[in-house]
Amino acid sequence: GENVEQHPSTLSVQEGDSAVIKCTYSDSASNYFPWYKQELGKRPQLIIDIRSNVGEKKDQRIAVTLNKTAKHFSLHITETQPEDSAVYFCAASNGQAGTALIFGKGTTLSVSS
Amino acid sequence: SAVISQKPSRDICQRGTSLTIQCQVDSQVTMMFWYRQQPGQSLTLIATANQGSEATYESGFVIDKFPISRPNLTFSTLTVSNMSPEDSSIYLCSVDSSGRPDTQYFGPGTRLTVL
Repeated sequence: GENVEQHPSTLSVQEGDSAVIKCTYSDSASNYFPWYKQELGKRPQLIIDIRSNVGEKKDQRIAVTLNKTAKHFSLHITETQPEDSAVYFCAASNGQAGTALIFGKGTTLSVSS
Repeated sequence: SAVISQKPSRDICQRGTSLTIQCQVDSQVTMMFWYRQQPGQSLTLIATANQGSEATYESGFVIDKFPISRPNLTFSTLTVSNMSPEDSSIYLCSVDSSGRPDTQYFGPGTRLTVL
């Protein structure tokens, strides 16, 4: 089955810096890659996703890149702000309706002002 | 996206007892999913619930321990049976998006503590 590895487990940056979180996956059939942000005590919130027919997607300060050949995808946050502090999870699935998301172990991002 | 609610939001239970968690959605959805998030950990899928059929359980999870109901397209329940302290976790339901069936949105979760 699918296995998703996520690095780093913790990341500390200064406000205004960029943050990059990387994930690798094992199943070449995976073609849907969402990223979730989970603040303390809150539910995971979908912040951006990418499908295998594109290599990059941007939404304001966040972007995701996908390299299907290497089986890795990354989350990029530019101009980080203290409110970006949270746990970020990557996930992968084969994109079929009703298919489970396989999650990485999460990255705790701390943005200090 | 759909509005998802869960009841209870949290509970403290004694070992050996059972708790039923409810998940309600404000619109009809095809698939509902139940995840477990142990303290400080990632999300692990327990089972997938499709209306009108038996739930499909992931490896390591069994129906006797986590019975699931899906009586209609807007509601599901997960029961945690014969609880032990190791069952202390956050239990989250998620639903797929009608417009994008590969996308999942999560409910607020139920924080369960077993003493």
